[in-house]
Amino acid sequence: LAKTTQPISMDSYEGQEVNITCSHNNIATNDYITWYQQFPSQGPRFIIQGYKTKVTNEVASLFIPADRKSSTLSLPRVSLSDTAVYYCLVGDGRAGGSYIPTFGRGTSLIVHP
Amino acid sequence: KAGVTQTPRYLIKTRGQQVTLSCSPISGHRSVSWYQQTPGQGLQFLFEYFSETQRNKGNFPGRFSGRQFSNSRSEMNVSTLELGDSALYLCASSSIPLGGNNSPLHFGNGTRLTVT
Repeated sequence: LAKTTQPISMDSYEGQEVNITCSHNNIATNDYITWYQQFPSQGPRFIIQGYKTKVTNEVASLFIPADRKSSTLSLPRVSLSDTAVYYCLVGDGRAGGSYIPTFGRGTSLIVHP
Repeated sequence: KAGVTQTPRYLIKTRGQQVTLSCSPISGHRSVSWYQQTPGQGLQFLFEYFSETQRNKGNFPGRFSGRQFSNSRSEMNVSTLELGDSALYLCASSSIPLGGNNSPLHFGNGTRLTVT
């Protein structure tokens, strides 16, 4: 079964770049890697998704090495409002044709002034 | 477009009771999946419904069940509540079934269930 591992917490300061890495050693061939952001008392919000190499959008970049056993979410120039919990999501194989979303335990990012 | 709506927002029940939670997906989304979030176990997948059929199920006891209606709205039911069922229950919708490429989940803000 796929399993993801992320750092429990990270601290940063406004204006810095933050990189959060997620390990997913048993990722299935067809699985995409998706990252979500969650604020207290809200549901997770989609940030970025990728399959391999690098993906960039207006808020983040996602780096995926060739072996796809890890991925790194990069947040450029963070602000206080980026303080949140960040989750990476991969599928959990295709056992019997089913797809089980498996979230990491989340990384609590605290951005300091 | 309106986002995913979950009702009620908060719920307090006692052990042994049952509870029904509701989720209205984004218009046009036919996949609805449910998740349990607790401090100890994190975000765990319960099940997914697509076109009124349960497609996938996580590792939860049979006390947890759900259904989906023809308008894609979904309900989740938990019977014989236990203290450990206290959690934030989230639902998410997507336009295609889970596992499809480039199909991010759109989450509601959850129902906070407290079992006393």
